[in-house]
Amino acid sequence: GAGVSQSPRYKVAKRGQDVALRCDPISGHVSLFWYQQALGQGPEFLTYFQNEAQLDKSGLPSDRFFAERPEGSVSTLKIQRTQQEDSAVYLCASTGGGYEQYFGPGTRLTVT
Amino acid sequence: RKEVEQDPGPFNVPEGATVAFNCTYSNSASQSFFWYRQDCRKEPKLLMSVYSSGNEDGRFTAQLNRASQYISLLIRDSKLSDSATYLCVVTTNNAGNMLTFGGGTRLMVKP
Repeated sequence: GAGVSQSPRYKVAKRGQDVALRCDPISGHVSLFWYQQALGQGPEFLTYFQNEAQLDKSGLPSDRFFAERPEGSVSTLKIQRTQQEDSAVYLCASTGGGYEQYFGPGTRLTVT
Repeated sequence: RKEVEQDPGPFNVPEGATVAFNCTYSNSASQSFFWYRQDCRKEPKLLMSVYSSGNEDGRFTAQLNRASQYISLLIRDSKLSDSATYLCVVTTNNAGNMLTFGGGTRLMVKP
C-alpha cells in the first residue's frame, strides 16, 4: 500500500517568506508526527497529532511554526517569515497504534 | 548535553568486518529502544527494536543495558549495502511515544 507522502520534496524560500509543507499519512493512521532534521544531525521532534487534535507542540522552535490536521488525515506545517536557521529536512511520520513510525521522504527546505 | 548520545563516526570498515556502535541515553524514564537506519538523503527506517534480553536479526545484534543506560548494535560480516547512518532512538511514552534520536553514526563499508 501507499506509504507516507510529503510535498513539496524541495523548497527554496527567500528569508521572510512563508512556506507550507504537506504530509499525507498512511490511510487510517491515527497518530502523526513532525520532525526537523538539520544537516548532520538526528531528527528532532516538533509536534504530535492524534486524529485532528494537536496533543503536543513542545518541539516547535518558535511561534513562527504552526501545524494543523483539521480532518484528522492530511497535515500541514507552516513556517512564517522563514529564517536561515529554518533550513532543514522536515520529516513527517505516522503510526497506526504500534510502536513503529513510518516516515515520509521529507521536505528539504533551503532558506536563502 | 543531548538526551541520546552517539559517536558520529564515520566508521570505515572493509567488507566482512564486524563493527559495533554504542549509544547512551540520559532519561531513566525511557521505555522503548530502537535502531533506525537512514540512507543518504532518505528517510529513517526501523532496523530493529532493542530489548534487555538482547535480540538478533540475521547479521545484526542489539543489546540494552538499562542499569548503564547503554544501547549497542553489532553488525557482523559487513556488506557494502550496510553503508548508512545508524540512529539510536528512545521513547518515553509521552507525546504519543515520540521518538528521541541520537545524532547518528555513519558507517562506510569499503570493498
